[in-house]
Amino acid sequence: ILNVEQSPQSLHVQEGDSTNFTCSFPSSNFYALHWYRWETAKSPEALFVMTLNGDEKKKGRISATLNTKEGYSYLYIKGSQPEDSATYLCASMNNNAGNMLTFGGGTRLMVKP
Amino acid sequence: EPEVTQTPSHQVTQMGQEVILRCVPISNHLYFYWYRQILGQKVEFLVSFYNNEISEKSEIFDDQFSVERPDGSNFTLKIRSTKLEDSAMYFCASRRGAGVGTQYFGPGTRLLVL
Repeated sequence: ILNVEQSPQSLHVQEGDSTNFTCSFPSSNFYALHWYRWETAKSPEALFVMTLNGDEKKKGRISATLNTKEGYSYLYIKGSQPEDSATYLCASMNNNAGNMLTFGGGTRLMVKP
Repeated sequence: EPEVTQTPSHQVTQMGQEVILRCVPISNHLYFYWYRQILGQKVEFLVSFYNNEISEKSEIFDDQFSVERPDGSNFTLKIRSTKLEDSAMYFCASRRGAGVGTQYFGPGTRLLVL
């Protein structure tokens, strides 16, 4: 069973602040790392899928990096806005675990205006 | 933009009753999944389905659970005799092809077993 962990569990920032949070996952047999943004009562929204060590992906003010050797990914939000308030989930795929996603516990971000 | 839909959004049932949760995956997708999140816990994988059969299932997915694709559009999860511990948010997801492609999630069905 994979163990995927995210930190911090929750985060309060002021509008305009930049922030980042971490996802750690087992590096052995790594296949892919997914990031999702989940607002209450809505579908989790896919942000990034990353596979290669050193991958960096960007979508607007949100970006992510991947280190498969040490088993972590960072998600960065530049200039946070109240609409960025959501839970950010990471999920790992492993070569030995088929195509299932193993999720971390999420980081709940609250951006105060 | 195509999206995964799920019905109902909320369901309350009595322990021991059967429930069927319904999902309409994105139309050209071939891989289908059910996940669930018990309140306060991580989202956890239940089952994946491809080519009209289960391709993987977790330990949670015991004989009380079944999945079906009864027609070309719906994908259902049935819980035969619900238990209190089945109370959770159930998510359906679909993916177009094999490999690392994105799994697109529906908004979930919140199931409460009393």
